[in-house]
Amino acid sequence: GDSVTQMEGPVTLSEEAFLTINCTYTATGYPSLFWYVQYPGEGLQLLLKATKADDKGSNKGFEATYRKETTSFHLEKGSVQVSDSAVYFCALSVWDYGGSQGNLIFGKGTKLSVKP
Amino acid sequence: DTAVSQTPKYLVTQMGNDKSIKCEQNLGHDTMYWYKQDSKKFLKIMFSYNNKELIINETVPNRFSPKSPDKAHLNLHINSLELGDSAVYFCASSQLDRGNEKLFFGSGTQLSVL
Repeated sequence: GDSVTQMEGPVTLSEEAFLTINCTYTATGYPSLFWYVQYPGEGLQLLLKATKADDKGSNKGFEATYRKETTSFHLEKGSVQVSDSAVYFCALSVWDYGGSQGNLIFGKGTKLSVKP
Repeated sequence: DTAVSQTPKYLVTQMGNDKSIKCEQNLGHDTMYWYKQDSKKFLKIMFSYNNKELIINETVPNRFSPKSPDKAHLNLHINSLELGDSAVYFCASSQLDRGNEKLFFGSGTQLSVL
């Protein structure tokens, strides 16, 4: 079945370090791919998305490129800040055969802690 | 105005009790969800409703019963609470258009069963 695998955390970085959080997926068809972020005590928020191969999603300095050949959607940021400390979830969309009912499948989340 | 609101934010109760969590969305979305997040932050879908009709019902004990009085509300009722039900429960809504999918989440209800 469709699934998302992302690197286990926690990830601890110093401020201004480079961030990569790996995400790979298994899917039938051509799903859209997402990164959601969950700050402490809050619900998930959409960070960025890409809807087709080679698309790059970007937001708040974060980027991820939809790589069909490697079935990956790795999240990157060139210089992290303390305020980026959160849990990051990779997700993909799945649809029924009629294309009328959809759902998101989430990875297990990766906790990022950024130290000053 | 909060797009997806759920109440209560915290719920502490004894084993065996029955409790409900309410969720409302003011986005005009057709689809609403309940997710469970365990202590390791793993997020798993429980139910999905589209226009008050149950669409997704994952392997969840039948002590959990969702109820959708209208498409803006999706409440979660839990009977005979058990210790393992302790988790954070998130409500979400979406207007899933293929290629334009986006879920909006509530801020969560932290359930602690003692």
